[in-house]
Amino acid sequence: EVQLVESGGAVVQPGGSLRLSCTTSGFSFEDYTMHWVRQAPGKGLEWVSFFSWDGTITNYADSVKGRFTISRDNSKNSLFLQMNSLRTEDSALYYCAKDLRRGGEAFNIWGQGTRVTVSS
Amino acid sequence: SYVLTQPPSVSVAPGQTARVTCGGNNIGSKSVHWYHQKPGQAPVLVVYDDSDRPSGIPERFSGSNSGNTATLTISRVEAGDEADYYCQVWDSSSDQPVFGGGTKLTVL
Repeated sequence: EVQLVESGGAVVQPGGSLRLSCTTSGFSFEDYTMHWVRQAPGKGLEWVSFFSWDGTITNYADSVKGRFTISRDNSKNSLFLQMNSLRTEDSALYYCAKDLRRGGEAFNIWGQGTRVTVSS
Repeated sequence: SYVLTQPPSVSVAPGQTARVTCGGNNIGSKSVHWYHQKPGQAPVLVVYDDSDRPSGIPERFSGSNSGNTATLTISRVEAGDEADYYCQVWDSSSDQPVFGGGTKLTVL
């Protein structure tokens, strides 16, 4: 069974940092582009970042560029999101999502999310 | 950046057909994907590449895409179809995925 399990969410003060993790199983992790997608309370889905399957490309939404860094460890089948200079508007449920194919496609598997709250 | 426009809400009676639209400039030239999300749950892919269904998704879910509008059609709507529905495409100019704002489907 394909599984994505996010962790690392917490309550943090504005300006603080947090590192999210996504541990995967049930598929060949190194063959797929992986994404982070977030959803603020009561709002829609917002794509945050992706790391390409071949390790050559990362990309970020303008709202997080320069503050967030995505990484992956294929030996541990894991995806990470380092979030620095956090703002209140970064408060959301953060989902890890697997690309349907190698990249530039749909997200066919999602984790259950990890909650980030940025508040003083 | 590329913008996808969805109606905020759609209502339909059980057994009828629901249509959720997703508008975008020349969206017919892109592959459109659809997700539903029930309260407290993660999104689930229900249609990809305009009209294909992942395994386990009922045939009642279908999609089409032409011109400036893509449409998710849900036939013989059931109470369990009540959810938020999101369309998504890949914006090749920015090399980023884009989501529509979401449509809340209410089953009357």
